[in-house]
Amino acid sequence: NAGVTQTPKFQVLKTGQSMTLQCAQDMNHEYMSWYRQDPGMGLRLIHYSVGAGITDQGEVPNGYNVSRSTTEDFPLRLLSAAPSQTSVYFCASSYGNRGLNTEAFFGQGTRLTVV
Amino acid sequence: GQQVMQIPQYQHVQEGEDFTTYCNSSTTLSNIQWYKQRPGGHPVFLIQLVKSGEVKKQKRLTFQFGEAKKNSSLHITATQTTDVGTYFCAGRGSGYSTLTFGKGTMLLVSP
Repeated sequence: NAGVTQTPKFQVLKTGQSMTLQCAQDMNHEYMSWYRQDPGMGLRLIHYSVGAGITDQGEVPNGYNVSRSTTEDFPLRLLSAAPSQTSVYFCASSYGNRGLNTEAFFGQGTRLTVV
Repeated sequence: GQQVMQIPQYQHVQEGEDFTTYCNSSTTLSNIQWYKQRPGGHPVFLIQLVKSGEVKKQKRLTFQFGEAKKNSSLHITATQTTDVGTYFCAGRGSGYSTLTFGKGTMLLVSP
């Protein structure tokens, strides 16, 4: 049972480049979310999804797109990378269509540097 | 929107000392969760509190949820070097489907 798998683990981008961070879970969780973690800022929600075909914005959505075509996958796209997007990105999943009252399982994280 | 404040931001203790981190929400919470993140790792779920005044224990860890469901605390008795990491609280407000994380308390334990 792999849980939540994120790829890549590390990435360096040049300003203006685009890329997709992959997230897959094998627990049949309906609720998935993306967070970014910056020093001293905790975990801030970027986008989330309560099920296939349904996504919504979190606290810091600008510069990021998501889609949820399957229950298993929830990719995060950076449209035009900026140095302010240098961060550690975590994908998480929870049981239930709103993740209510259930624990979040986190992936190992993607450390992104934009130069 | 929801705001979850967590203090202290950082604490350095000697092994064997106790440690407490506090979490306060600007709104009433339906539940609160606690996570631990080891250096270089990812957050790992510790526990969830749902009821007003709830107290739960996990070995040396004691978790409390306030009567008004707006604050919570995590207390570690007799810290060990394995307790090193950052502890996050995460609250879910009534009517919200998302978790709001505090900024975390980084715990360093010296042997």
